[in-house]
Amino acid sequence: GNSVTQMEGPVTLSEEAFLTINCTYTATGYPSLFWYVQYPGEGLQLLLKATKADDKGSNKGFEATYRKETTSFHLEKGSVQVSDSAVYFCALGVLEDDYKLSFGAGTTVTVRA
Amino acid sequence: DAGVIQSPRHEVTEMGQEVTLRCKPISGHNSLFWYRQTMMRGLELLIYFNNNVPIDDSGMPEDRFSAKMPNASFSTLKIQPSEPRDSAVYFCASSSIKKNEQFFGPGTRLTVL
Repeated sequence: GNSVTQMEGPVTLSEEAFLTINCTYTATGYPSLFWYVQYPGEGLQLLLKATKADDKGSNKGFEATYRKETTSFHLEKGSVQVSDSAVYFCALGVLEDDYKLSFGAGTTVTVRA
Repeated sequence: DAGVIQSPRHEVTEMGQEVTLRCKPISGHNSLFWYRQTMMRGLELLIYFNNNVPIDDSGMPEDRFSAKMPNASFSTLKIQPSEPRDSAVYFCASSSIKKNEQFFGPGTRLTVL
């Protein structure tokens, strides 16, 4: 079946620190990979995505590269801000399953000034 | 675009009562997903529809849960009778025919006393 494993949190950082959240997956078929972000009290928002191997998704200074050989999609940001404090979810979807999403457990990130 | 609209945003009810959650997907989207989020179980897909037809309801926890999509612009998730363990945040999401990006609503926070 399809599953996502992501780094457990919580993660606490200082402003301008480097952030990385590890995500690995197992999938039947060829998945598309996603990072969603959930700010306090809000729904999930798509942060970035990649649909094929070696694609790099990027948005708001965040990046993740689809690594088929290591079945990974790690999220990185070089210099975090307080406003990046949120819960981050790695997810995958496959065409054969109508792209219904399988989510990781979520990683809570807190950035302190 | 107004995005995915959910109502109510908060619902507090007593055990045994019927609860109805509502969702209006983004206009033109043909897939609709209902998720439940709890601390213990994370994000779980309950059911999804394509073109108003339920495709996979394997995530619906019990017969007390039912979902309908009478037309392309409206869906309901009903719990009857409700129980305290149903307390969670329920999200609705929709996607277009491309299917590989879901847009989430703000969620309904349900508390069953």
